[in-house]
Amino acid sequence: EIVMTQSPATLSVSPGQRATLSCRASQFVRSNLAWYQQKPGQTPRLLIYSTSTRATGIPARFSGSGSGTEFTLTISDLQSEDFAIYYCQQYNAWPLTFGGGTKVDIK
Amino acid sequence: EGQVVESGGGLVQPGGSLRLSCAASGFTFKEYAMYWVRQAPGKGLEWVSGISWNSAVLEYADSVRGRFTVSRDNAKNSLYLQLNSLRPEDTAFYYCAKDPWQYSTGRGYFQQWGQGTLVTVS
Repeated sequence: EIVMTQSPATLSVSPGQRATLSCRASQFVRSNLAWYQQKPGQTPRLLIYSTSTRATGIPARFSGSGSGTEFTLTISDLQSEDFAIYYCQQYNAWPLTFGGGTKVDIK
Repeated sequence: EGQVVESGGGLVQPGGSLRLSCAASGFTFKEYAMYWVRQAPGKGLEWVSGISWNSAVLEYADSVRGRFTVSRDNAKNSLYLQLNSLRPEDTAFYYCAKDPWQYSTGRGYFQQWGQGTLVTVS
């Protein structure tokens, strides 16, 4: 099983600033990496797939990068609606696995 | 992009069974692999099962293999998850999710999610 490790567990950021979230895979996953956003009481929402492609309707302030085993989600100019939990997920191999999540909260 | 709606959750005793359903609309259901993903209250996401568009490929997380069975009825635009031998640790919201690619065998990401149905084992 490919273990996905996200860091930090919690990230405190001021509105308007940049947030950088990390995701590490225990094995090579190529570019088969997705990111999701989940707000309290809501369903997860796809943000990024194939490491860096934004899903439909996702603002340009969300960007993904990386390859292989190291990946990054960057949220520039944080808005109030961006404070949430973010999960990475690999789909290079079964079983599909998620990271433990990074909570982005208001500093 | 369509919509998926889960149903069938509820309170069940340990060792009991439930059948979850997921009704799809707004897309050609028979062309897409589908998944079940769960989330225990206050915890992270866990992939549970996946099924290819034609049911030829069925995959399960180790934590549920042998107890849960995924199936689909393309004529009814529906996905199912049979949960047997339930344990307290199976308590979670169960989400139905759609694969992004047509005619995929699965092993993808989760493009579209339902609102979830809560299963409580106690």
